[in-house]
Amino acid sequence: QVQLQESGPGLVKPSETLSLTCTVSGGSISGYYWSWIRQPPGKGLEWIGYIYYSGTTYYNPSLESRVTISVHTSKNQFSLKLTSVTAADTAVYYCARAATHGMLFFDYWGQGTLVTVSS
Amino acid sequence: DIQMTQSPSSLSASVGDRVTITCRASQSITSYLNWYQQKPGKAPKLLIYAASSLQSGVPSRFSGSGSGTDFTLTITSLQPEDFATYYCQQSYNIPRTFGQGTELEIK
Repeated sequence: QVQLQESGPGLVKPSETLSLTCTVSGGSISGYYWSWIRQPPGKGLEWIGYIYYSGTTYYNPSLESRVTISVHTSKNQFSLKLTSVTAADTAVYYCARAATHGMLFFDYWGQGTLVTVSS
Repeated sequence: DIQMTQSPSSLSASVGDRVTITCRASQSITSYLNWYQQKPGKAPKLLIYAASSLQSGVPSRFSGSGSGTDFTLTITSLQPEDFATYYCQQSYNIPRTFGQGTELEIK
């Protein structure tokens, strides 16, 4: 059974960089796309971006100038960096696996981690 | 961006009822549509992919249909554990976008 676990600081100061890591267990990171999705408190879901295990990335254009997703295959991990954060970036951040069956869908998710942007 | 609009935004129903949630895309997405269920404090769970394919382990009372711009999620014979928020999501192009969610409440 594939499991994902997010880790990283729960509090980030405005203008600083949010950094999260997702550790994948129970399966290999190879052969899949890996994604970050966030959800502000009480609101809906926003897709941040994908990375293919080979390193190819796809970002949401609304965040692209501030986002970097990278993969660390030897550690079975991938990570998110979001720069110049503001209060609007406060959200639960989920990592997820994107499987393909002719199309991509998110079949495994981490439990989510709340990141608050505040001084 | 492709806008995904769900209706209704909230819905009250009773155990045993049949409910239908609708998702409309702002342009054709063929069958590139997925449905998720989210319970409070939990991550979303994949129910349906490619508009009508049931994810492994999901009860058969859940079904999806539609293509192009209009899609539906149907739950037959609601169970207590089905009361949750449901989201549609398109995988047709970048950025991937979700509907605003439909909260299914107990009547």
